[in-house]
Amino acid sequence: ETGVTQSPTHLIKTRGQQVTLRCSSQSGHNTVSWYQQALGQGPQFIFQYYREEENGRGNFPPRFSGLQFPNYSSELNVNALELDDSALYLCASSSGGQGRTGELFFGEGSRLTVL
Amino acid sequence: EDQVTQSPEALRLQEGESSSLNCSYTVSGLRGLFWYRQDPGKGPEFLFTLYSAGEEKEKERLKATLTKKESFLHITAPKPEDSATYLCAVRDHNNNDMRFGAGTRLTVKP
Repeated sequence: ETGVTQSPTHLIKTRGQQVTLRCSSQSGHNTVSWYQQALGQGPQFIFQYYREEENGRGNFPPRFSGLQFPNYSSELNVNALELDDSALYLCASSSGGQGRTGELFFGEGSRLTVL
Repeated sequence: EDQVTQSPEALRLQEGESSSLNCSYTVSGLRGLFWYRQDPGKGPEFLFTLYSAGEEKEKERLKATLTKKESFLHITAPKPEDSATYLCAVRDHNNNDMRFGAGTRLTVKP
């Protein structure tokens, strides 16, 4: 059973650029969530995708967008990067649907630095 | 709005010195309370889920307990390899997100 994999692991961008982060969910999981973790803070919810549809969104501006593909992998896109976007971006997968207990299983993250 | 507060922010223990980490929460309807361990530069690793007050779960030197307002993560006779940040999170019945606390950074000295 393969776990959650994310790419790239590290990247550096400049202010105003755009970035795409990728995530492959754990085998058997149909739900992907994205979180942003600033240094010294807990992860903050960006959005969740269930069966290719956005299924909840946190307090992030529209320049944060995402996709989920038929194989349940996912992308996070951030446009017009700002310095405050520098963070560890975490992807987590789970088994969605009603009645599920909701444990999330995280990847190792993508460390984004915006200069 | 769901809130999670963890204390202390940082904890330094000697190897073998048992202690507890606290997670206080407010949530409209608890679907689950979760504990994670996070090593520096890595993603959180799932430890436990607790669903209702009075529930307890154990794994090696760790034991998690839950009341209606808080959860404790008890660490018995810790070892240096237990050094990590421990995150607490809650999920309610109305939302799809998991709300995390800021974590407790645990250091265990040999």
